[in-house]
Amino acid sequence: GDSVTQMEGPVTLSEEAFLTINCTYTATGYPSLFWYVQYPGEGLQLLLKATKADDKGSNKGFEATYRKETTSFHLEKGSVQVSDSAVYFCALSASLGDPYKYIFGTGTRLKVLA
Amino acid sequence: NAGVTQTPKFQVLKTGQSMTLQCAQDMNHNSMYWYRQDPGMGLRLIYYSASEGTTDKGEVPNGYNVSRLNKREFSLRLESAAPSQTSVYFCASSPPTTYEQYFGPGTRLTVT
Repeated sequence: GDSVTQMEGPVTLSEEAFLTINCTYTATGYPSLFWYVQYPGEGLQLLLKATKADDKGSNKGFEATYRKETTSFHLEKGSVQVSDSAVYFCALSASLGDPYKYIFGTGTRLKVLA
Repeated sequence: NAGVTQTPKFQVLKTGQSMTLQCAQDMNHNSMYWYRQDPGMGLRLIYYSASEGTTDKGEVPNGYNVSRLNKREFSLRLESAAPSQTSVYFCASSPPTTYEQYFGPGTRLTVT
């Protein structure tokens, strides 16, 4: 079945460092891919998305490119801030079968130090 | 717009007690979802409702029931709570075609 694999955390960076959080997926067909962010004590918020191969999603300085050849959707940011400290979830929505059934990765906790 | 709201925010139950978690959205979304979040396991889908009048099981439906009361409201019921149901529960909704999901703030449930 479909699955999402994220790099394990926690990831600890200094402010202004470069961030990469790896995400790979297994799916039949052409899923839509998402990154969600969860700040402490809150629900998840959509950070960015991509719906087809080679699409780049971007928001708040974060970017991720839908790579079908490597089945990846890695999250990147050029210069992180303390306020980016949160848990990041990669997710897919299947194109075949039931698109309502999201598959989430286990989440990667990011801690940014001042 | 309030978005997705959930009540209560916190709840402690004893084993065997029952309770209903409430969820409402004011974005006129068709689809609604219930997830549980456990450490190291990400979010797992309990039930979802693709549209008013329909509900379907997700990955972990055992021990839960749901009701899609109308387009706005989707409730989750625990008939006989067990310690294994200690978790944080999130409700979400999504508009048609985009499948982006909008989450509520969560309910932290402890079963002793």
